[in-house]
Amino acid sequence: SQQGEEDPQALSIQEGENATMNCSYKTSINNLQWYRQNSGRGLVHLILIRSNEREKHSGRLRVTLDTSKKSSSLLITASRAADTASYFCATLSGGSYIPTFGRGTSLIVHP
Amino acid sequence: SQTIHQWPATLVQPVGSPLSLECTVEGTSNPNLYWYRQAAGRGLQLLFYSVGIGQISSEVPQNLSASRPQDRQFILSSKKLLLSDSGFYLCAWSSGSGSGSYNEQFFGPGTRLTVL
Repeated sequence: SQQGEEDPQALSIQEGENATMNCSYKTSINNLQWYRQNSGRGLVHLILIRSNEREKHSGRLRVTLDTSKKSSSLLITASRAADTASYFCATLSGGSYIPTFGRGTSLIVHP
Repeated sequence: SQTIHQWPATLVQPVGSPLSLECTVEGTSNPNLYWYRQAAGRGLQLLFYSVGIGQISSEVPQNLSASRPQDRQFILSSKKLLLSDSGFYLCAWSSGSGSGSYNEQFFGPGTRLTVL
């Protein structure tokens, strides 16, 4: 079963705008990870946020985690056409080393 | 630095034919290894994972099998492919040390399999 569910399923914006994607999950987690996948390629790890963290930054990426709401958001600021990709959240729970992936958000950034 | 290789990159096979996809990792030892399948426009479905040589866990029943003959080699196989086996197959590894609580996964480039 899916642990993380991304929202929206698809997002289309203009270059320069900010893109926000959300991830909701059902059970307690140890950490939550965001990945990016360009079409026809493997996934690339973006950010890992631990359950005791609330916010993390990496360049133009900002990830928040609200464990009380069991949700996370990924914000891409000043988007570029090269940010066009699918974005997945993945959760790790308990002592597991097997992350559970959501179905992803497809982001299209128009130049 | 660590790298992960998958081959072939693309494969077109007839129904009923065998399958062998290979994944190797360099630059690390005793990794956890994973096989995923991704249908078009969908999320990742975990097929198999391995925490050590000869140790394979299957997540879903199907006509696929996996083997780990060496520490950094993971092979996905089938004796007879079905049409439903078409998809994008991804191999991944994560650090095998510690509890795994903070482990990110590193993915290979994937294999596009089309069964006709």
